[in-house]
Amino acid sequence: TQLLEQSPQFLSIQEGENLTVYCNSSSVFSSLQWYRQEPGEGPVLLVTVVTGGEVKKLKRLTFQFGDARKDSSLHITAAQTGDTGLYLCAGARGNFNKFYFGSGTKLNVKP
Amino acid sequence: DAGITQSPRYKITETGRQVTLMCHQTWSHSYMFWYRQDLGHGLRLIYYSAAADITDKGEVPDGYVVSRSKTENFPLTLESATRSQTSVYFCASSESGRDNQPQHFGDGTRLSIL
Repeated sequence: TQLLEQSPQFLSIQEGENLTVYCNSSSVFSSLQWYRQEPGEGPVLLVTVVTGGEVKKLKRLTFQFGDARKDSSLHITAAQTGDTGLYLCAGARGNFNKFYFGSGTKLNVKP
Repeated sequence: DAGITQSPRYKITETGRQVTLMCHQTWSHSYMFWYRQDLGHGLRLIYYSAAADITDKGEVPDGYVVSRSKTENFPLTLESATRSQTSVYFCASSESGRDNQPQHFGDGTRLSIL
């Protein structure tokens, strides 16, 4: 079983629509990261959130860390075709930079 | 500005063979990681290293061996490959072990075991 559950697994939307991706767990994490991965490439870090309730914005992307540090969400406003990719959340537990990854949300934004 | 490079990018081998995947980083990062990515499982940590000559197991270490004699290199060896080890393997590095540090990933090695 995955420590982090992401939903939905797949999302296909039209350009201009809004969407939210969820990352949930029953475990507490010291920090949570979101990555985006394109086909044939490694994941690239988008953001790190470390404080319960923290909200970070990256242009049209808004990331939130749950108050109890067990969950997170990624909201994209007015999606663009360039947002297409696999979005992965990763939570840190333990004494060092050991991250547990969710299984990912595959986003397809159609023109 | 090479960053982190993995080789080979693609590899096909047979069950029972030994295969080594290479990872090289140019940042002198302390921490290095090996993950495998399978459909439905996301990325799972195989082994990690906090510094040269210091390695430790991750979530799924069985069937794999690592070494780190130099800071910049972190090879992963499958001593006797099995079909269940068919996967995409990613190497990553980070500057320190602090949990707010980004991990920088290579572009992966797609390994098929027949």
